[in-house]
Amino acid sequence: ELKVEQNPLFLSMQEGKNYTIYCNYSTTSDRLYWYRQDPGKSLESLFVLLSNGAVKQEGRLMASLDTKARLSTLHITAAVHDLSATYFCAVEGSRGTYKYIFGTGTRLKVLA
Amino acid sequence: ETGVTQSPTHLIKTRGQQVTLRCSSQSGHNTVSWYQQALGQGPQFIFQYYREEENGRGNFPPRFSGLQFPNYSSELNVNALELDDSALYLCASSLAGQVYGYTFGSGTRLTVV
Repeated sequence: ELKVEQNPLFLSMQEGKNYTIYCNYSTTSDRLYWYRQDPGKSLESLFVLLSNGAVKQEGRLMASLDTKARLSTLHITAAVHDLSATYFCAVEGSRGTYKYIFGTGTRLKVLA
Repeated sequence: ETGVTQSPTHLIKTRGQQVTLRCSSQSGHNTVSWYQQALGQGPQFIFQYYREEENGRGNFPPRFSGLQFPNYSSELNVNALELDDSALYLCASSLAGQVYGYTFGSGTRLTVV
């Protein structure tokens, strides 16, 4: 059974600092998705990573995928308060099934 | 382009009752999936519908059932509600064959008392 783990679960950081969130998964997959969720809200798509070595960047966030290591990272550069949210990675259970297995989530709090 | 809309936004039900949640898919999308998100957890896959047929199911009992209609809107039905069914229920739509993932609705917050 595919399992997806994120760490850390909680992250409190100062504005202006850099940090990385890690997403490990247990079986082969070459599709990985990152979502953001604000409290009480739905999921907002951030990145879609479709192949080994894929790197995507948007603003202060950069995501990468290493399918051989079964690892994705979400790197935050010079954090700002507006990035405070919960971040989820999700892996497709079997290709083409659209059955996503979500990670446990990382709750990020950026302190001013 | 319209997004995914869900109704109602909030709902309170009593244990043992039945509930129906509704979802309108994003225009052009023909696949809909439902997820349950308990407080503080990641979403859990319930099931998926494609062309009005169930096309995959997670580890949820049969009292969770669904429908997809010809216009690609969808319903999630839960019978014999239990306290643990309290959660945010998310509907997500996509176009079969495309790889860019789901568009999620804003969710229905169900509280079972």
